[in-house]
Amino acid sequence: DQQVKQNSPSLSVQEGRISILNCDYTNSMFDYFLWYKKYPAEGPTFLISISSIKDKNEDGRFTVFLNKSAKHLSLHIVPSQPGDSAVYFCAAISSEKLTFGTGTRLTIIP
Amino acid sequence: GAVVSQHPSRVICKSGTSVKIECRSLDFQATTMFWYRQFPKQSLMLMATSNEGSKATYEQGVEKDKFLINHASLTLSTLTVTSAHPEDSSFYICSARPPTARETQYFGPGTRLLVL
Repeated sequence: DQQVKQNSPSLSVQEGRISILNCDYTNSMFDYFLWYKKYPAEGPTFLISISSIKDKNEDGRFTVFLNKSAKHLSLHIVPSQPGDSAVYFCAAISSEKLTFGTGTRLTIIP
Repeated sequence: GAVVSQHPSRVICKSGTSVKIECRSLDFQATTMFWYRQFPKQSLMLMATSNEGSKATYEQGVEKDKFLINHASLTLSTLTVTSAHPEDSSFYICSARPPTARETQYFGPGTRLLVL
């Protein structure tokens, strides 16, 4: 049972445009959400997080939006840069355990 | 960000042998570390939670006698894959949680295990 889902396995975006990565979850007990960036054969790198009591968190080019009623969160990257090309995982915390989504491969086209 | 190391980064072994993977938090003390595995093109799946000085907590479906976890100090956790088989071939990643940021986990670079 996949409690955290990323329905788009891949996404291509033109350099300079906005990248929007989506994530849906089913467990209403999740109280904290995170986005990680991952390159092949490396561990995930933390990008940005949001508490379930908030609906938006911004850090530089990265903004995370949370819609609790829809059990949906998204990561916005603007402007997109070639170095942003990677696999992005959303993750959710419940009872101090991290559950990862299936990942979205983002490719930034120069 | 905090640094977590893993050793070895890659290991190839024969079926039936045991392999030990080390996970170290280099600049903070981690009372809790986590072990994940990732199959190709799949998500990271939590295998177990490693608590310093106590037994690890395994996720459903993970054999604790096959994946031995030891968290002997505040900076070191080890995962031993006992009697490895080809189906154990995977990418194993550890993470460490600093005591002052309980929502954050810092990940190691991972260990690629190939069992022949």
